[in-house]
Amino acid sequence: DAKTTQPNSMESNEEEPVHLPCNHSTISGTDYIHWYRQLPSQGPEYVIHGLTSNVNNRMASLAIAEDRKSSTLILHRATLRDAAVYYCILRDVYSGGGADGLTFGKGTHLIIQP
Amino acid sequence: SAVISQKPSRDICQRGTSLTIQCQVDSQVTMMFWYRQQPGQSLTLIATANQGSEATYESGFVIDKFPISRPNLTFSTLTVSNMSPEDSSIYLCTIKGPLGGYTFGSGTRLTVV
Repeated sequence: DAKTTQPNSMESNEEEPVHLPCNHSTISGTDYIHWYRQLPSQGPEYVIHGLTSNVNNRMASLAIAEDRKSSTLILHRATLRDAAVYYCILRDVYSGGGADGLTFGKGTHLIIQP
Repeated sequence: SAVISQKPSRDICQRGTSLTIQCQVDSQVTMMFWYRQQPGQSLTLIATANQGSEATYESGFVIDKFPISRPNLTFSTLTVSNMSPEDSSIYLCTIKGPLGGYTFGSGTRLTVV
């Protein structure tokens, strides 16, 4: 899978929007962009994923650059419960068999200030 | 989405012993995986648990150390064998859902003393 680059940490204030960037300059045409987050003392949880178009769900929005070399996870109104490590992961839609697991990088540690 | 039950949630084990971790899913799933998260680190994929055949291990992980069973489409076990303090980690069971997202269990926090 292609590699992603994220800032080690970011800080934001409660009730403000948060934009978490991810660079993936070597992304292939069949790579989906996945975002997961890991709250303290919990397993990771799915946030959102997309291929080309921007995506919205109840948790967040995913904005994908036109050239797909970067993307941004948007939390529209951060709460203290959003403090977590956020992982941006690329996943080839054609991967299968024994190579179908997610490859995690170090992620971005998001700190929310009250 | 599917619900994963992982047991035990935590354990403290003596070095040289083995621990078997169970993962039960409330629906049939094709793809199940086991991850390890060492203290302060990100997650590392150990292996893909294949139903009815031997697991597929990632580089650095071997069957003798981490034997995996997958007797059916809802259950898998991971055994951590001949444990040493370096095996102290969180072990997580994961499934791939039909829409492409992955669901993680709550993990087993293992401490080897």
